Amino acid sequence: DGGITQSPKYLFRKEGQNVTLSCEQNLNHDAMYWYRQDPGQGLRLIYYSQIVNDFQKGDIAEGYSVSREKKESFPLTVTSAQKNPTAFYLCASSPGRVSPEETQYFGPGTRLLVL
Amino acid sequence: AQSVSQHNHHVILSEAASLELGCNYSYGGTVNLFWYVQYPGQHLQLLLKYFSGDPLVKGIKGFEAEFIKSKFSFNLRKPSVQWSDTAEYFCAVINTNAGKSTFGDGTTLTVKP
Repeated sequence: DGGITQSPKYLFRKEGQNVTLSCEQNLNHDAMYWYRQDPGQGLRLIYYSQIVNDFQKGDIAEGYSVSREKKESFPLTVTSAQKNPTAFYLCASSPGRVSPEETQYFGPGTRLLVL
Repeated sequence: AQSVSQHNHHVILSEAASLELGCNYSYGGTVNLFWYVQYPGQHLQLLLKYFSGDPLVKGIKGFEAEFIKSKFSFNLRKPSVQWSDTAEYFCAVINTNAGKSTFGDGTTLTVKP
């Protein structure tokens, strides 16, 4: 059963704590993306990766970090430097630039709440 | 910098009414264009896309969009909406050079039965 999985579904963070959101895909896609979704602001790109061991900052990378050590995995860490982390986080993957089709496939999302 | 602007934040229509959602983008290079839809409680999914060829593209559920390069627009249309079209709609571009994606703020469509 191919797709993108994100875990956990809900995550609670205490002040000053780093938390890591998981994103795994078994679609054999090269590209992966992290977005933050806030009401009325659509999806804003945090980081993206076109290939293993390479990633670029998106529009709102401050306070976040990522790694891409494996093709199927693209974890996102929300650091204590992110002052307003409460949001819905979406991970996506796409075949990448090697394919003319760059449709992104989205995971179910993780809702992060700050205690 | 690339950006996407969706003109309507919330649209309310009666069933059988026609729909047009505006989307304009700014980027000087080549882009691929997309409309995604998020039905209540479901994942974001692709509605339709344009990357080359005929600028009028057809998607699922009777939706279509027209790419007008001179206007940097990619408006979504449907001649007759149904109650089941109630959802949030997002326009997006991917810059084919860097692979960076940008989404609009979304338009919430409510269709009254």
